[in-house]
Formats: sequence, structure tokens, C-alpha cells
Amino acid sequence: RKEVEQDPGPFNVPEGATVAFNCTYSNSASQSFFWYRQDCRKEPKLLMSVYSSGNEDGRFTAQLNRASQYISLLIRDSKLSDSATYLCVVNFYGGGGFKTIFGAGTRLFVKA
Amino acid sequence: DGGITQSPKYLFRKEGQNVTLSCEQNLNHDAMYWYRQDPGQGLRLIYYSQIVNDFQKGDIAEGYSVSREKKESFPLTVTSAQKNPTAFYLCASSGTRTDTQYFGPGTRLTVL
Repeated sequence: RKEVEQDPGPFNVPEGATVAFNCTYSNSASQSFFWYRQDCRKEPKLLMSVYSSGNEDGRFTAQLNRASQYISLLIRDSKLSDSATYLCVVNFYGGGGFKTIFGAGTRLFVKA
Repeated sequence: DGGITQSPKYLFRKEGQNVTLSCEQNLNHDAMYWYRQDPGQGLRLIYYSQIVNDFQKGDIAEGYSVSREKKESFPLTVTSAQKNPTAFYLCASSGTRTDTQYFGPGTRLTVL
């Protein structure tokens, strides 16, 4: 089982739609969580951190479910400019020390 | 402007040649990283450095080498021993090993 798993998609949605991505992680001792956005042939950029209480930044909401070991990203009122790949990132202390694991990403296409 | 720079953006190499990728940051970050990204896969850690004159192997260090002689610089050498070097190489930095990572624009290496 991969340490971090994401549905690769692609998710094809119309403008204005609400879309949600999940990311599951296998290490129950995981400590911190993030969502990054990566545009085609560009570097990943931090979108938002994920807090236990959930957090919102404009149209984006991130949530953490420790019991079921997943994080989620909700995008409301999708824009064409939201088209990108969304990477989830999990940090934890393992046998080899502190580790950062990136998911393979979920691709989103927002259509006019 | 503060940030991370990588050069060159595109690099072509003949088989059997070593090549060095540059990564510079002026964010005063202690930790720096090199990742490799292949299509449809998550980022894989090659090497990381938590402090000047110290670096550690990541998950896929074979065929690569690094140095950290200055806080601002963390060059990566792709040696001829790397079996499949064609990939997108991303450099990142963070304040400390456990802080959020920020990425440079990447170098796309193609072996001819």
C-alpha cells in the first residue's frame, strides 16, 4: 500500500461546479498535511495547510479526518483557472527520521 | 525578490555524460532538497540537506551526487551511473527540515 494515495482523475467539471478530492495516508502517526497546486510543466506551489479543525481560504476548504486517515480539498464555484493537478503532502516521523511524502496528484479540468 | 532559482530550465545530455543542475535560494533557509518527478508519479526525494556541509540520501539517491558548501546553494550532479535520468528535477527549500517546502521552477533533463 502506498503511503499517500490520491485518485489520479482526471476530474472534468463545468465552471461553477463544486468538486472534492480525497487523499488517504497509511501512517497513523502523520503530523502535518498540505495541499499543493501544480500547473502543467511548472513547479508545485503551496495551496494551503490542513488543520485538524478544518480551514477555509476563499473558495477552498481543507479538512482532516484522522480516524479514517484522509484529508480532503473542496473547491466551490470552480473557475477555468483552477485547472491544475492537486498534490496532497503528508509529513511524519518514521524509522528513518522525518519524512515528507507527496501524492501523485489529482488532475482537474474546469470547462467553460 | 526572495525565492529559489534553478538553471537551466531545459537541459539535454548525451548518454555517458555527467551533468550538474544548479539550485540557489535567498530565503535564508537551512534545509534544501532535490526531487525527481516522472509522468503520473509523485515527487521522489533524491537528496536533502539540513545544514551547510551536511546532506543525506533520499529514496532514490543512486546515480546522483550533491554538495552543500554554501547555505544558498545545493547543486545536483546526475552521473552516467543513473540508468534513466530523463525527468523533471525540482529543488526545494524550507526554514528547517520540518517546515513547509517551497519549490524552484525546475529543470527538465532529457538524455539523448
